[in-house]
Formats: sequence, C-alpha cells, structure tokens
Amino acid sequence: EAQVTQNPRYLITVTGKKLTVTCSQNMNHEYMSWYRQDPGLGLRQIYYSMNVEVTDKGDVPEGYKVSRKEKRNFPLILESPSPNQTSLYFCASSLFLTYEQYFGPGTRLTVT
Amino acid sequence: TQLLEQSPQFLSIQEGENLTVYCNSSSVFSSLQWYRQEPGEGPVLLVTVVTGGEVKKLKRLTFQFGDARKDSSLHITAAQPGDTGLYLCAGSNFNKFYFGSGTKLNVKP
Repeated sequence: EAQVTQNPRYLITVTGKKLTVTCSQNMNHEYMSWYRQDPGLGLRQIYYSMNVEVTDKGDVPEGYKVSRKEKRNFPLILESPSPNQTSLYFCASSLFLTYEQYFGPGTRLTVT
Repeated sequence: TQLLEQSPQFLSIQEGENLTVYCNSSSVFSSLQWYRQEPGEGPVLLVTVVTGGEVKKLKRLTFQFGDARKDSSLHITAAQPGDTGLYLCAGSNFNKFYFGSGTKLNVKP
C-alpha cells in the first residue's frame, strides 16, 4: 500500500530535549516536505527536499533541521524544542513534476 | 505570511444545499490544489488546477482556477453529511507550498 508514515504519532517532551520525528514514504517520490498545523493558521511549510541531499527552507524553518540521506526518509529534528513548537506536524511527499502531495497521519507534539 | 485567504472560515448547512468556498490571493501561483482533511488525519488531495480559467469536476464538486491564477473556488452541489470536513486550498510557486487557513464545513442531515 502506497503511504507516508510518521513516528511517533504523539509526543510529549520538555523544553530543550532534542527530538527527531521520522517520516518515510514507499512511493519513490522525489519531493518531501514538513508542515506544522496550528489553529487558525492552516498548514505552514517548515522545510522541503527536492531529492537526496537537496533541502531548502519553507516559510517557518527557525528551530528545525532536516536531512535527506535516503530518498524514502526525511526526518525532522528539533535540537532544542521550545513550547512555541507545540503543534501538529505533517510530512508529505510527491512526484517532483506533479506536486500532488500525499500526507502522513500527523505527529502531535507537546513541549512543556 | 498568509498568502492565501479562504472564506468563509466556517459553514454549517443542511443536507441538499449548495455551497461555494473561495480561496483568494494577491500572488500568482503556478498551480493550485484543494485538499480535504478529517479530524485526526492528514489532508487528502482532491484536485490540482494549473491553467488560468480551468474548471474541473469531481462528482458533485466543481473547482475553478481564476483567469489570472490568483484565486480559486470550490462549489459543492447538493451537499451530503459525508462532505463534512476541513477544506484547504494550497498554492505552489518555485517548489514551495502556501496553504489557506481552511474552511470548516458541517453538513447536517
């Protein structure tokens, strides 16, 4: 089954404790992206990747890091999480030319 | 920066009614997409429009891309309770995506 998976689905952590949210797709998509969704603000793009070793900033990259060492994986790293990073996070992937994104199920992160 | 404005934010209607959701921007987009999101799930793509003036139909849903590629609309005919959800528009430019804040639709039986 074609899908985007994210882990963990729920995470509660404390300020400053480094964490990684994993994202994996099995559709051989070139384009992958991370978004955060906050009430009233819709989805905002954090980082995106056009292909392996090619990443670029989205609209709200501050406080986040990403890497794309393999085509299928695109982890999101929070080196020192802060409460304002409490949000619902989505990973998405698509073929480069179509940009028709498939979204993962989401990761609800709470930073206390 | 919120480049895409959606209206209305909330819509509660009776089954069988028609409705239109709007997505407006001052920016030109190379393509525009509509997604539907249910609680606890990720958005699911409904349609992509790429040509100014383009109209696409998906059963009871009609999508239109403005001539200038700055705005779009989603029209639902004879809404059903199964149409309930959050509808999001998203524009893309230079490999980046910008989403509207969404329209929460509730269709009452």
